Amino acid sequence: KQEVTQIPAALSVPEGENLVLNCSFTDSAIYNLQWFRQDPGKGLTSLLLIQSSQREQTSGRLNASLDKSSGRSTLYIAASQPGDSATYLCAVRQKKGDDKIIFGKGTRLHILP
Amino acid sequence: SQTIHQWPATLVQPVGSPLSLECTVEGTSNPNLYWYRQAAGRGLQLLFYSVGIGQISSEVPQNLSASRPQDRQFILSSKKLLLSDSGFYLCAWRRGSGYNEQFFGPGTRLTVL
Repeated sequence: KQEVTQIPAALSVPEGENLVLNCSFTDSAIYNLQWFRQDPGKGLTSLLLIQSSQREQTSGRLNASLDKSSGRSTLYIAASQPGDSATYLCAVRQKKGDDKIIFGKGTRLHILP
Repeated sequence: SQTIHQWPATLVQPVGSPLSLECTVEGTSNPNLYWYRQAAGRGLQLLFYSVGIGQISSEVPQNLSASRPQDRQFILSSKKLLLSDSGFYLCAWRRGSGYNEQFFGPGTRLTVL
């Protein structure tokens, strides 16, 4: 059974620093992995989607990497800003046609001004 | 562009009362639709998903039910709410096979008293 873990559960970082958020999964046979952002009381916003054949995806100051063999993905945020404060969730899809994606519990990020 | 709507945004209901939450998607046709619940400390739990009108798959047995009366409309219902039904309910959609990115609505905060 696939399990997705995000450690730490919460993280505080001074503004301007680069940071890395971690996501690990127990079954490496995934189809893709998606990173989301959730602001308090709001829905999820899709940030990046990495297919199993890809090693990384970039969008602005965000870079997501995927190492399937080790069951890990990282979300790198460059030059952090207070507006980056949110909860970041990763989710994996096992197979192409799967309707279910398995979420981690998220990392709550606070950027200190 | 596609947008997803949920209403109401917040709801406070007494135990034993009925529930109806609505989700609609605009700008696409024949989407796969999903209902999730997010409870504090428990992450996102997939409740129901639908690949077409009248087609509902349940992930977790409980006192909730879902219906899809129209292509882009997904409804979450209950005949009698329990205290444990409190949480943040999120609707999501994605295109059919070959398109795997999932997009979420703004959510409904349900408090059962």
